[in-house]
Amino acid sequence: GAGVSQSPSNKVTEKGKDVELRCDPISGHTALYWYRQSLGQGLEFLIYFQGNSAPDKSGLPSDRFSAERTGGSVSTLTIQRTQQEDSAVYLCASSYTSGGPDTQYFGPGTRLTVL
Amino acid sequence: AQKVTQAQTEISVVEKEDVTLDCVYETRDTTYYLFWYKQPPSGELVFLIRRNSFDEQNEISGRYSWNFQKSTSSFNFTITASQVVDSAVYFCALGGVYNQGGKLIFGQGTELSVKP
Repeated sequence: GAGVSQSPSNKVTEKGKDVELRCDPISGHTALYWYRQSLGQGLEFLIYFQGNSAPDKSGLPSDRFSAERTGGSVSTLTIQRTQQEDSAVYLCASSYTSGGPDTQYFGPGTRLTVL
Repeated sequence: AQKVTQAQTEISVVEKEDVTLDCVYETRDTTYYLFWYKQPPSGELVFLIRRNSFDEQNEISGRYSWNFQKSTSSFNFTITASQVVDSAVYFCALGGVYNQGGKLIFGQGTELSVKP
């Protein structure tokens, strides 16, 4: 079956512009996660969604970052007024449920470069 | 605090050698889950294994084996008879920690290079 897909695969933007990153989880998975992978910080949790519950936003680094999940499926991560330190690979993952035990399956990521 | 430490930043071996990747974790919870993921040069994180804190049995899958020891808070990963295709960055992760929801806490990763 289809895995997690993300688009675009690469995004180059200028400092100060807004960007939107998209994630399509595996069909039937109720939990969706965003992580960021950068050279200096490794893999960092950003936000996760579980069904209709309020998302856990505890990992978002600033209020320039936001995410939404429409219809319990597709998610969009938005970064406003991008900064050079936002340059990283943004990874999306999904799992059948949340709460801990379920394995998260990752997408190929979106490489964001802020000039 | 919850933390995962992979002390080996880079390992280089010659094909057919055995190699062990170390993972040490910290948590105060009694129920938790440990994972290993592989990130090949293509970039996508590939799931390898999940273990829960109540199951300390070692696991073997082909050339891969995992040694989970709660007494030392370690979950080490051994590749037997390594191959060039094993070259990748390997991440150990901790999940299912109370009050942390479903998020995973990753180690910094170990880059394994297998030379022919």
